[in-house]
Amino acid sequence: EDKVVQSPLSLVVHEGDTVTLNCSYEVTNFRSLLWYKQEKKAPTFLFMLTSSGIEKKSGRLSSILDKKELFSILNITATQTGDSAVYLCAVGAQGAQKLVFGQGTRLTINP
Amino acid sequence: DTGVSQDPRHKITKRGQNVTFRCDPISEHNRLYWYRQTLGQGPEFLTYFQNEAQLEKSRLLSDRFSAERPKGSFSTLEIQRTEQGDSAMYLCASNEPGQGLKETQYFGPGTRLLVL
Repeated sequence: EDKVVQSPLSLVVHEGDTVTLNCSYEVTNFRSLLWYKQEKKAPTFLFMLTSSGIEKKSGRLSSILDKKELFSILNITATQTGDSAVYLCAVGAQGAQKLVFGQGTRLTINP
Repeated sequence: DTGVSQDPRHKITKRGQNVTFRCDPISEHNRLYWYRQTLGQGPEFLTYFQNEAQLEKSRLLSDRFSAERPKGSFSTLEIQRTEQGDSAMYLCASNEPGQGLKETQYFGPGTRLLVL
């Protein structure tokens, strides 16, 4: 059965710190890995990764995928209080439309 | 706003009652998904439609759950004889067929169900 494990489950840091969130997965016929940010509502899309070693970047957020070791990391630099949220990692498999999600990492940024 | 919309946003019901939720996907998206999210967990897949056809159902979707998408546009999710364990956030997502970023599923705000 396809599985996604995120770590840490919870993280509290101070504004300005840099954080790294981890996502490891087991999936048959991997197609893509997605990162979402969830505040008190809908998960909002951050990145989709399909190829190893290619960094995706958006402002202070970046992510990279390692298909050999089956993991991805999400980095956030110079964190702000508005970055406080649950960050979800999900994988999709070839021939399947559903996404399999991890538990999420709850990130809290203290001023 | 042309994103995914869901109605109602919150529902409180008594155990044993039936409830129905509605999802309106992004207009050009022909794929629609339902997920359930409990506290402290990531979303879990329930079912998926392409146009009006329900193509996949999770084993999480017991006989008390039924989903429809009669005209290939909006979808409804009904839970019959609700149980306290059904309390969760029910999320709807949609996307269009294609490769790469077109596969990205966009989520609605969810319906939070509380069964007393």
